[in-house]
Amino acid sequence: RKEVEQDPGPFNVPEGATVAFNCTYSNSASQSFFWYRQDCRKEPKLLMSVYSSGNEDGRFTAQLNRASQYISLLIRDSKLSDSATYLCVVIFHSGGYQKVTFGTGTKLQVIP
Amino acid sequence: DGGITQSPKYLFRKEGQNVTLSCEQNLNHDAMYWYRQDPGQGLRLIYYSQIVNDFQKGDIAEGYSVSREKKESFPLTVTSAQKNPTAFYLCASSSDWAGYTFGSGTRLTVV
Repeated sequence: RKEVEQDPGPFNVPEGATVAFNCTYSNSASQSFFWYRQDCRKEPKLLMSVYSSGNEDGRFTAQLNRASQYISLLIRDSKLSDSATYLCVVIFHSGGYQKVTFGTGTKLQVIP
Repeated sequence: DGGITQSPKYLFRKEGQNVTLSCEQNLNHDAMYWYRQDPGQGLRLIYYSQIVNDFQKGDIAEGYSVSREKKESFPLTVTSAQKNPTAFYLCASSSDWAGYTFGSGTRLTVV
């Protein structure tokens, strides 16, 4: 089983739709979680952190389910500009050791 | 403005040639990283450095070398031993894992 798994998509959704992505992880001791956005042929950029209590930033909501070992990203009222690849990042750290694992990304295409 | 700068943006390498990719940051971050991204694949860690004059191999270090003589700089050399170097190379820096800041990347192509 991969350490971090994402459905590669593409998810093709109409403007205004709500779309959700999941990212599963295998290390139950993982402590930190993030979502990054990567536009075509560009570098990834931090979208939001993921907290146990869930967090919201405008149209974006991120949640963590530790029992089932997945994080999710919900995008409401999709815009054309949301079209990108969304990468999840899972971090395990203990003492001075840290392991950062990126998912392979989920591609979102918002259609007019 | 603080940031992380990679150069060049595009690089062409001949067979058997070593090339060096530059990465400079003025964010005062201690940790710096090199990743490789291939089409349809996730980011794979090549090397990382958590402090000046120290660096560690990542998951795919073979055929690559790095140095960390200054806090601001973490150059990556792609040696002739790397048999399939064509990829998108991303440099990143971080401080206490508030998240990575990535450079804009270097696209390396073997010609």
